Amino acid sequence: KAGVTQTPRYLIKTRGQQVTLSCSPISGHRSVSWYQQTPGQGLQFLFEYFSETQRNKGNFPGRFSGRQFSNSRSEMNVSTLELGDSALYLCASSGRVSLDRVYEQYFGPGTRLTVT
Amino acid sequence: AQKVTQAQTEISVVEKEDVTLDCVYETRDTTYYLFWYKQPPSGELVFLIRRNSFDEQNEISGRYSWNFQKSTSSFNFTITASQVVDSAVYFCALRNQAGTALIFGKGTTLSVSS
Repeated sequence: KAGVTQTPRYLIKTRGQQVTLSCSPISGHRSVSWYQQTPGQGLQFLFEYFSETQRNKGNFPGRFSGRQFSNSRSEMNVSTLELGDSALYLCASSGRVSLDRVYEQYFGPGTRLTVT
Repeated sequence: AQKVTQAQTEISVVEKEDVTLDCVYETRDTTYYLFWYKQPPSGELVFLIRRNSFDEQNEISGRYSWNFQKSTSSFNFTITASQVVDSAVYFCALRNQAGTALIFGKGTTLSVSS
Protein backbone atom coordinates (compact mmCIF):
# COMPACT_ATOMS: atom_id res chain seq x y z
CA LYS A 1 0.00 0.00 0.00
CA ALA A 2 1.43 3.36 -0.97
CA GLY A 3 2.04 5.80 1.85
CA VAL A 4 1.07 9.41 2.19
CA THR A 5 2.52 11.55 -0.56
CA GLN A 6 3.11 15.28 -0.47
CA THR A 7 4.04 17.64 -3.25
CA PRO A 8 6.17 19.56 -3.69
CA ARG A 9 8.87 18.39 -1.31
CA TYR A 10 10.67 21.71 -1.28
CA LEU A 11 9.47 25.21 -2.00
CA ILE A 12 10.98 28.66 -1.85
CA LYS A 13 8.67 31.65 -1.84
CA THR A 14 8.92 35.37 -1.23
CA ARG A 15 7.13 37.29 1.50
CA GLY A 16 3.66 38.32 0.43
CA GLN A 17 3.20 35.49 -2.02
CA GLN A 18 0.80 32.63 -1.54
CA VAL A 19 1.46 28.91 -1.71
CA THR A 20 -0.53 25.71 -2.14
CA LEU A 21 0.66 22.38 -0.82
CA SER A 22 -0.84 19.06 -1.81
CA CYS A 23 -1.34 15.81 0.06
CA SER A 24 -2.57 12.43 -1.14
CA PRO A 25 -3.58 10.14 1.71
CA ILE A 26 -3.20 6.40 1.94
CA SER A 27 -5.75 4.70 -0.25
CA GLY A 28 -8.99 4.25 1.66
CA HIS A 29 -8.20 6.85 4.30
CA ARG A 30 -10.77 9.62 4.55
CA SER A 31 -9.20 11.79 7.22
CA VAL A 32 -6.36 14.16 6.43
CA SER A 33 -4.64 16.38 8.99
CA TRP A 34 -2.02 19.05 8.53
CA TYR A 35 0.75 20.01 10.95
CA GLN A 36 3.41 22.69 10.95
CA GLN A 37 6.84 21.88 12.35
CA THR A 38 9.31 24.61 13.29
CA PRO A 39 12.40 24.50 15.51
CA GLY A 40 10.86 26.97 17.93
CA GLN A 41 7.27 25.82 18.21
CA GLY A 42 7.68 22.15 17.40
CA LEU A 43 4.81 20.26 15.84
CA GLN A 44 1.53 22.15 15.79
CA PHE A 45 -1.83 21.07 14.49
CA LEU A 46 -3.28 23.15 11.67
CA PHE A 47 -6.55 21.44 10.70
CA GLU A 48 -8.22 18.17 9.88
CA TYR A 49 -10.52 17.26 7.04
CA PHE A 50 -12.86 14.31 6.97
CA SER A 51 -15.10 13.58 4.02
CA GLU A 52 -14.45 17.01 2.51
CA THR A 53 -15.41 18.87 5.71
CA GLN A 54 -13.10 20.64 8.09
CA ARG A 55 -13.58 18.91 11.45
CA ASN A 56 -11.08 20.68 13.61
CA LYS A 57 -8.81 23.68 13.38
CA GLY A 58 -5.73 24.68 15.32
CA ASN A 59 -4.74 28.10 16.51
CA PHE A 60 -3.47 29.59 13.29
CA PRO A 61 -4.46 32.81 11.51
CA GLY A 62 -6.96 32.84 8.69
CA ARG A 63 -4.14 33.03 6.15
CA PHE A 64 -3.91 29.29 6.57
CA SER A 65 -6.70 27.41 4.87
CA GLY A 66 -7.32 24.03 3.37
CA ARG A 67 -9.73 21.86 1.55
CA GLN A 68 -10.36 18.24 0.76
CA PHE A 69 -11.60 16.75 -2.46
CA SER A 70 -13.98 13.87 -3.03
CA ASN A 71 -11.04 11.52 -3.58
CA SER A 72 -9.72 12.51 -0.12
CA ARG A 73 -6.77 14.40 -1.52
CA SER A 74 -6.17 17.60 0.38
CA GLU A 75 -4.60 20.94 -0.29
CA MET A 76 -3.35 23.53 2.12
CA ASN A 77 -3.02 27.17 1.20
CA VAL A 78 -1.11 29.94 2.89
CA SER A 79 -1.73 33.46 1.66
CA THR A 80 0.40 36.54 2.22
CA LEU A 81 3.41 34.57 3.32
CA GLU A 82 5.51 35.78 6.23
CA LEU A 83 9.07 34.84 7.15
CA GLY A 84 7.71 32.96 10.15
CA ASP A 85 5.79 30.62 7.88
CA SER A 86 9.05 28.91 6.95
CA ALA A 87 8.56 25.38 8.23
CA LEU A 88 8.12 21.74 7.43
CA TYR A 89 4.46 21.11 6.66
CA LEU A 90 3.38 17.58 7.36
CA CYS A 91 0.26 15.87 6.19
CA ALA A 92 -1.15 12.84 7.96
CA SER A 93 -3.88 10.46 6.93
CA SER A 94 -5.98 8.28 9.15
CA GLY A 95 -8.23 5.33 8.48
CA ARG A 96 -10.99 7.02 10.38
CA VAL A 97 -14.43 5.74 9.46
CA SER A 98 -16.46 7.52 12.11
CA LEU A 99 -16.13 10.53 14.32
CA ASP A 100 -15.99 8.70 17.61
CA ARG A 101 -13.09 6.37 17.09
CA VAL A 102 -9.48 7.39 17.19
CA TYR A 103 -7.03 5.95 14.75
CA GLU A 104 -3.33 6.42 14.40
CA GLN A 105 -2.18 8.94 11.85
CA TYR A 106 0.36 8.12 9.18
CA PHE A 107 2.53 10.97 8.04
CA GLY A 108 3.93 11.95 4.69
CA PRO A 109 7.50 13.15 4.08
CA GLY A 110 6.46 16.78 4.36
CA THR A 111 6.93 19.91 2.30
CA ARG A 112 9.73 22.16 3.40
CA LEU A 113 8.69 25.75 2.77
CA THR A 114 11.23 28.53 2.90
CA VAL A 115 9.99 32.11 2.82
CA THR A 116 12.57 34.76 1.91
CA ALA B 1 -5.55 21.79 28.82
CA GLN B 2 -3.55 18.98 27.35
CA LYS B 3 0.21 18.92 27.42
CA VAL B 4 3.05 16.52 26.67
CA THR B 5 6.47 16.96 28.21
CA GLN B 6 9.61 15.29 27.00
CA ALA B 7 12.20 16.58 29.42
CA GLN B 8 15.15 15.00 27.66
CA THR B 9 16.14 17.20 24.75
CA GLU B 10 19.10 15.14 23.59
CA ILE B 11 20.48 11.73 24.51
CA SER B 12 23.72 10.21 23.26
CA VAL B 13 24.53 6.54 23.70
CA VAL B 14 26.90 3.99 22.31
CA GLU B 15 25.62 1.09 20.28
CA LYS B 16 24.18 -1.81 22.29
CA GLU B 17 23.33 0.40 25.24
CA ASP B 18 19.75 0.47 26.47
CA VAL B 19 18.07 3.85 26.47
CA THR B 20 14.78 5.11 27.89
CA LEU B 21 12.94 8.12 26.53
CA ASP B 22 10.64 9.79 29.01
CA CYS B 23 7.18 11.17 28.32
CA VAL B 24 4.87 12.82 30.82
CA TYR B 25 1.42 13.98 29.82
CA GLU B 26 -1.36 16.11 31.24
CA THR B 27 -5.03 15.76 30.45
CA ARG B 28 -8.33 16.00 32.27
CA ASP B 29 -9.98 13.48 30.00
CA THR B 30 -10.63 9.99 31.25
CA THR B 31 -10.32 8.51 27.78
CA TYR B 32 -7.30 9.46 25.76
CA TYR B 33 -4.68 8.00 23.47
CA LEU B 34 -0.91 8.16 23.57
CA PHE B 35 1.45 7.74 20.67
CA TRP B 36 5.14 7.54 19.90
CA TYR B 37 6.55 8.62 16.57
CA LYS B 38 10.07 8.47 15.18
CA GLN B 39 11.40 11.17 12.87
CA PRO B 40 14.60 10.18 11.05
CA PRO B 41 16.66 12.80 9.22
CA SER B 42 14.48 12.35 6.14
CA GLY B 43 11.73 14.18 8.03
CA GLU B 44 8.87 11.73 7.78
CA LEU B 45 7.17 10.88 11.07
CA VAL B 46 7.00 7.12 11.50
CA PHE B 47 4.24 5.74 13.70
CA LEU B 48 5.55 3.39 16.40
CA ILE B 49 2.73 2.71 18.84
CA ARG B 50 -0.68 3.77 20.09
CA ARG B 51 -1.85 3.12 23.62
CA ASN B 52 -5.39 3.65 24.95
CA SER B 53 -5.87 5.13 28.40
CA PHE B 54 -7.89 2.14 29.56
CA ASP B 55 -5.17 -0.33 28.64
CA GLU B 56 -2.19 -0.13 30.94
CA GLN B 57 -0.48 -3.25 29.68
CA ASN B 58 3.10 -2.72 28.74
CA GLU B 59 4.07 -3.64 25.23
CA ILE B 60 7.16 -5.08 23.66
CA SER B 61 7.95 -5.09 19.98
CA GLY B 62 11.37 -6.47 19.18
CA ARG B 63 13.92 -4.13 20.76
CA TYR B 64 11.23 -1.58 21.61
CA SER B 65 9.14 -1.56 24.76
CA TRP B 66 6.70 0.88 26.26
CA ASN B 67 5.79 1.42 29.90
CA PHE B 68 2.45 3.16 30.46
CA GLN B 69 1.66 4.27 34.02
CA LYS B 70 -1.52 6.26 34.59
CA SER B 71 -0.60 6.85 38.24
CA THR B 72 2.37 8.97 37.18
CA SER B 73 0.93 10.11 33.81
CA SER B 74 3.91 8.67 32.03
CA PHE B 75 4.39 6.72 28.83
CA ASN B 76 8.08 5.88 28.57
CA PHE B 77 9.81 4.24 25.64
CA THR B 78 12.82 1.95 25.97
CA ILE B 79 15.11 0.82 23.19
CA THR B 80 17.13 -2.26 24.11
CA ALA B 81 20.54 -2.82 22.55
CA SER B 82 20.40 0.43 20.60
CA GLN B 83 21.67 0.59 17.03
CA VAL B 84 22.96 3.42 14.87
CA VAL B 85 19.75 3.22 12.82
CA ASP B 86 17.81 4.21 15.94
CA SER B 87 19.29 7.70 15.69
CA ALA B 88 16.36 10.03 15.18
CA VAL B 89 14.05 12.45 16.94
CA TYR B 90 11.36 10.70 18.94
CA PHE B 91 8.04 12.33 19.69
CA CYS B 92 5.44 11.44 22.24
CA ALA B 93 1.90 12.63 21.47
CA LEU B 94 -1.51 12.78 23.12
CA ARG B 95 -4.99 12.82 21.68
CA ASN B 96 -8.32 12.79 23.46
CA GLN B 97 -11.32 10.78 22.39
CA ALA B 98 -13.26 13.62 20.90
CA GLY B 99 -10.42 15.57 19.42
CA THR B 100 -8.63 14.98 16.22
CA ALA B 101 -5.42 16.84 16.83
CA LEU B 102 -2.27 15.24 18.12
CA ILE B 103 -0.59 17.23 20.87
CA PHE B 104 3.13 16.61 20.52
CA GLY B 105 5.96 16.93 22.97
CA LYS B 106 9.07 18.83 21.89
CA GLY B 107 10.83 15.61 21.01
CA THR B 108 13.99 13.86 22.17
CA THR B 109 16.95 13.64 19.80
CA LEU B 110 18.63 10.27 20.17
CA SER B 111 22.14 9.84 18.81
CA VAL B 112 23.57 6.35 18.74
CA SER B 113 27.26 6.07 17.90
CA SER B 114 29.12 2.96 16.84
